[in-house]
Amino acid sequence: EVQLAESGGGLVQPGRSLRLSCAASGFTFDDYAIHWVRQAPGKGLEWVSGISWNSNVIVYADSVKGRFTISRDNAKNSLYLQMNSLRAEDTALYHCAKDIGALLGAGGLDYWGQGTLVTVSS
Amino acid sequence: DIQMTQSPSSLSASVRDRVTITCRASQSIRSNLNWYQQKPGKAPKLLIYAASNLQSGVPSRFSGSGSGTDFTLTISSLQPEDFATYYCQQSYGTPPAFGGGTKVEIK
Repeated sequence: EVQLAESGGGLVQPGRSLRLSCAASGFTFDDYAIHWVRQAPGKGLEWVSGISWNSNVIVYADSVKGRFTISRDNAKNSLYLQMNSLRAEDTALYHCAKDIGALLGAGGLDYWGQGTLVTVSS
Repeated sequence: DIQMTQSPSSLSASVRDRVTITCRASQSIRSNLNWYQQKPGKAPKLLIYAASNLQSGVPSRFSGSGSGTDFTLTISSLQPEDFATYYCQQSYGTPPAFGGGTKVEIK
């Protein structure tokens, strides 16, 4: 059974940092691209970042570019999101999601984790 | 960046109704369009990928069509478990943007 489990969320002050993790199981992790998608309370889905199977291709949304860094450790079946200079507008539930393919843009996101909540507030 | 516009933003329908949701891209995305269903408190679920391909395990009452800039998600006979919010997403270019969502409510 494919499982994605996010962790690392919490309450953080504006300007501070947080690192999210996503532990994957039930599939060959290094065969697929993985993404972070967030959802602010009561709002729609916003794609944040994606990383190809071998980390050669990494893309960010303009809203997080220069502040967030996505990475993966295929030996540990894990995905990460380092979030720096956090802002109130980064407050959201952060999901990791598996791509259908190995490369970004291969297709849809066929498995999602339940998410970890990040709240940025003083 | 490619913008995705869904319509309507919400609709009310009855069980067994036929429901159609539209998604329009700001430029051609060929058939690189995916549809998701999200229920309150749950993660999104992939329904349709590449515009018209039904994801494994998804009931056949769901179907997708379109190419280029205009796409449609159709639920042929709405069931009680289908009341949810539906999102389109393009996977042609980066960022792979989502539409704003369509909330399907009980009439």
